[in-house]
Amino acid sequence: EPEVTQTPSHQVTQMGQEVILRCVPISNHLYFYWYRQILGQKVEFLVSFYNNEISEKSEIFDDQFSVERPDGSNFTLKIRSTKLEDSAMYFCASINLAGVAGELFFGEGSRLTVL
Amino acid sequence: EDQVTQSPEALRLQEGESSSLNCSYTVSGLRGLFWYRQDPGKGPEFLFTLYSAGEEKEKERLKATLTKKESFLHITAPKPEDSATYLCAVRGNTGKLIFGQGTTLQVKP
Repeated sequence: EPEVTQTPSHQVTQMGQEVILRCVPISNHLYFYWYRQILGQKVEFLVSFYNNEISEKSEIFDDQFSVERPDGSNFTLKIRSTKLEDSAMYFCASINLAGVAGELFFGEGSRLTVL
Repeated sequence: EDQVTQSPEALRLQEGESSSLNCSYTVSGLRGLFWYRQDPGKGPEFLFTLYSAGEEKEKERLKATLTKKESFLHITAPKPEDSATYLCAVRGNTGKLIFGQGTTLQVKP
């Protein structure tokens, strides 16, 4: 069964360092998302990406964040200068329709710990 | 503003003791209500999508129902392996999913 894969599964970094989280969405999917979940809190929307550009972003997704689809398979989330409050699980998700209907398929997540 | 509230926050059941989880929502132009299961340290795993009031879907011991204001996830004769956090989410006109805080279910043998 096709699945969304994410790397790394866990990353520990120092405050102020740059982090790149990687995702390989399901191959025929068109819309890509990043969500995050701070320990014990809700799963929160960060950004959606379609046709090689951001289609929507949340207030959390400030100038420290960026997304990219560098090739036909990978989808990355970059945090330029990490803060303590960026510590969370980051989930990549994808959907095969243009955001109109259907379920999002989530990866297993990347746990980011900022010290 | 689209919003999802789930209750209860936590639920403990004995094996075989049926119950229901609630998801109340407000959304502009519902394009689907979703139920996911999340195990500790894992990503959300898709269970059901409901699109219109009156719709019902079933999978093994789980049954999801939808009204214009809320959804229920009914668990019939649960087993310990059903222990997880159950997440409800809605998609409105913006296309993104808005999640509730989840209900953590513990089923004791």
